[in-house]
Amino acid sequence: DAGITQSPRYKITETGRQVTLMCHQTWSHSYMFWYRQDLGHGLRLIYYSAAADITDKGEVPDGYVVSRSKTENFPLTLESATRSQTSVYFCASSPGQPIRGGYTFGSGTRLTVV
Amino acid sequence: AQSVTQLDSQVPVFEEAPVELRCNYSSSVSVYLFWYVQYPNQGLQLLLKYLSGSTLVESINGFEAEFNKSQTSFHLRKPSVHISDTAEYFCAVSDRTGGGADGLTFGKGTHLIIQP
Repeated sequence: DAGITQSPRYKITETGRQVTLMCHQTWSHSYMFWYRQDLGHGLRLIYYSAAADITDKGEVPDGYVVSRSKTENFPLTLESATRSQTSVYFCASSPGQPIRGGYTFGSGTRLTVV
Repeated sequence: AQSVTQLDSQVPVFEEAPVELRCNYSSSVSVYLFWYVQYPNQGLQLLLKYLSGSTLVESINGFEAEFNKSQTSFHLRKPSVHISDTAEYFCAVSDRTGGGADGLTFGKGTHLIIQP
């Protein structure tokens, strides 16, 4: 199916564990983004990527790692999960700059760190 | 760099009443403007956008927004709301010149609550 898909939809993990959130898009969009959404903070950019093998930090990158070996995939890894990383994570993509068409968002991953 | 301010975190409105969700932005360059809607337990969906031309833009479900350059605003309005409009609404801006490589800047969102 065409679109942008995130997996898993829900995840519970323990403090200190490594966890990877997956994001896959079928349009070959150049740009991909990871956001976290928290009450009172809205959407905060974690990392973004302008193309395969090109990534850069956003507003809140600490504790996260990304990679982009293929244009269609942009996984987000929490190296050692903390309770403060409990959040809803959204992946988004865009064909290029400037952002005329806006983003297309995935449905989100709700992560709980216990 | 740009910033977006949504002054109201929550707006309660009675069904069939009009509503305005406020959005102000600041930027040193020209911008594109967007409104996104997020229904419960879903991702964000593009509601409408302003790129150029007429300053009044409309969505397919009755919302409209007007770009006001002098007031740096892009307020969202609907003349008569329905229960199904209950959602979180996000205003966003992007750098028209393409210099903002990190894409869209979002406001913190406004929760629209429709009361029967």
